[in-house]
Amino acid sequence: SQKIEQNSEALNIQEGKTATLTCNYTNYSPAYLQWYRQDPGRGPVFLLLIRENEKEKRKERLKVTFDTTLKQSLFHITASQPADSATYLCALGHAGNNRKLIWGLGTSLAVNP
Amino acid sequence: EAQVTQNPRYLITVTGKKLTVTCSQNMNHEYMSWYRQDPGLGLRQIYYSMNVEVTDKGDVPEGYKVSRKEKRNFPLILESPSPNQTSLYFCATRGQGRDEQYFGPGTRLTVT
Repeated sequence: SQKIEQNSEALNIQEGKTATLTCNYTNYSPAYLQWYRQDPGRGPVFLLLIRENEKEKRKERLKVTFDTTLKQSLFHITASQPADSATYLCALGHAGNNRKLIWGLGTSLAVNP
Repeated sequence: EAQVTQNPRYLITVTGKKLTVTCSQNMNHEYMSWYRQDPGLGLRQIYYSMNVEVTDKGDVPEGYKVSRKEKRNFPLILESPSPNQTSLYFCATRGQGRDEQYFGPGTRLTVT
């Protein structure tokens, strides 16, 4: 069955460092992968999308890589700030009508001042 | 301001008492979807709608109903709620030809 794995343990880093979050998947060939941020009790907020034919995408301090051979995406936050503390979800999608997303459980990031 | 609204935000109810959670969007998006989020299970899709009068089951549709009579609204109906439907519910929308989704603020439902 299709499976997505994100770091189950919370990630704690110091302010100013680069946070790197991992999303691995099996038994799936996604057309694209998305990263969302979720704060406690709130809805996920879209951050970045990367397609299967793209290796890297950037947006301000955020960078996403996508390796379809390794079946892995890495999400980087450079110059991290305490305000970046949240849970980060990865979601894999295919190009069907529903464009159904398969969601990971998320990784909790804490940036300490 | 582009937004997805849900009501109520919090609801405590009893088994068997019908309830409706409303979802409304002002972005003119064709696609709308309902998810539930539970610890250890993540986000699971309940129902989705590709457009007005077009709805289909997601991964966990049992015990839920939806309707899409207008483009902006997509209510989630629990005809006879049970304790296993206690969860955090999110409505989400997506624009035509787009892949990113926009989520509502969530509805925390407790069924006793």
